[in-house]
Amino acid sequence: GAGVSQSPRYKVTKRGQDVALRCDPISGHVSLYWYRQALGQGPEFLTYFNYEAQQDKSGLPNDRFSAERPEGSISTLTIQRTEQRDSAMYRCASSLHKAGSSTDTQYFGPGTRLTVL
Amino acid sequence: KNEVEQSPQNLTAQEGEFITINCSYSVGISALHWLQQHPGGGIVSLFMLSSGKKKHGRLIATINIQEKHSSLHITASHPRDSAVYICAVGKQKLVFGQGTRLTINP
Repeated sequence: GAGVSQSPRYKVTKRGQDVALRCDPISGHVSLYWYRQALGQGPEFLTYFNYEAQQDKSGLPNDRFSAERPEGSISTLTIQRTEQRDSAMYRCASSLHKAGSSTDTQYFGPGTRLTVL
Repeated sequence: KNEVEQSPQNLTAQEGEFITINCSYSVGISALHWLQQHPGGGIVSLFMLSSGKKKHGRLIATINIQEKHSSLHITASHPRDSAVYICAVGKQKLVFGQGTRLTINP
């Protein structure tokens, strides 16, 4: 596709369930980023990848959150044992070059709105 | 104090007015980004700059590295410019401001 896609666009789950959020970056983009955005707030960094390697996961709130990008393309953000405070918009972005070697434009996906009941 | 502060938080203006949104940061940066978040929620990158000034259409972004300050200007504002404008700084790990909600009335 032409842009970054994410699925599902909306996810409603019950507290305690696991969820997996998918990000499909722009083809050929090396770097992939995950962000979380609470309602009325700016995004906050969660983690990022260069190719398949997770470079920085310092923004992940706790060990219930994990992310992978096994083949350097599609990435999955997994939240285990969801809690109501996990409710937010989860966005991914991709950029053409390797993060750290140059700074370039990040292209954002439409986000997945997660609601934990 | 947040590492990235934007002002104002909300701005309402009439069509045609000149708009300025400010961003101050306290962290060292390699680049500063201005993003636009549409009412529908999508985020679009407007500018990435590390020095000086950039212009795209009616949008102008400036940055003063010494003062750790950037401004986004919109000339001849239009209702379709209504959106949340977000400043973000950093290299691979962006730190975001809280956003400025701009409303342009016809």
